Amino acid sequence: AQKITQTQPGMFVQEKEAVTLDCTYDTSDPSYGLFWYKQPSSGEMIFLIYQGSYDQQNATEGRYSLNFQKARKSANLVISASQLGDSAMYFCAMKPDSWGKLQFGAGTQVVVTP
Amino acid sequence: EAGVAQSPRYKIIEKRQSVAFWCNPISGHATLYWYQQILGQGPKLLIQFQNNGVVDDSQLPKDRFSAERLKGVDSTLKIQPAKLEDSAVYLCASSFSLAGGKQETQYFGPGTRLLVL
Repeated sequence: AQKITQTQPGMFVQEKEAVTLDCTYDTSDPSYGLFWYKQPSSGEMIFLIYQGSYDQQNATEGRYSLNFQKARKSANLVISASQLGDSAMYFCAMKPDSWGKLQFGAGTQVVVTP
Repeated sequence: EAGVAQSPRYKIIEKRQSVAFWCNPISGHATLYWYQQILGQGPKLLIQFQNNGVVDDSQLPKDRFSAERLKGVDSTLKIQPAKLEDSAVYLCASSFSLAGGKQETQYFGPGTRLLVL
């Protein structure tokens, strides 16, 4: 069975600073995808970034980058130059390529302060 | 490109009443998902459609929840009768395919916040 663990329930970060959100996962599937979503207080889940388990390079999308360490089964999200609009809940999720559901972690609440 | 559309955005009902939610996925997306998200938790998959067929409904409480996607495009999720514990956000998502990889990225709608009194 898959399991996604986000150990940081909440964190504060100052504007313009970088923040790293931790995510570890457990799966026996050899091929899978890792996803990060942002959920502001409005409720919509916004897709941020994708990393395939066989991708050679860490994924980047603008200010978001994924620190993927396959052997350690971790997929940490790095947000550079935080903005006030980055305040939200962030979810790590994983899905095997073969079958199965998209499994979400419990989320990390990020509050960006001026 | 238009995103996933959902309606209504908010709904308040009394227990034992019925309620229905509507979802229109991104154009061209074959796969549609309904999730339930209880406050403070990650989303939980209720049902997954591939075109108009059900792929996974193992976590759908079938005694009170039903969903359909008759023409393989938009979908309706119904709760009848509602219970207090159904208070949650109901999220609809769609993906291009089930082929694995980035094509399976799920894009979510704004959600419907349901409060059962």
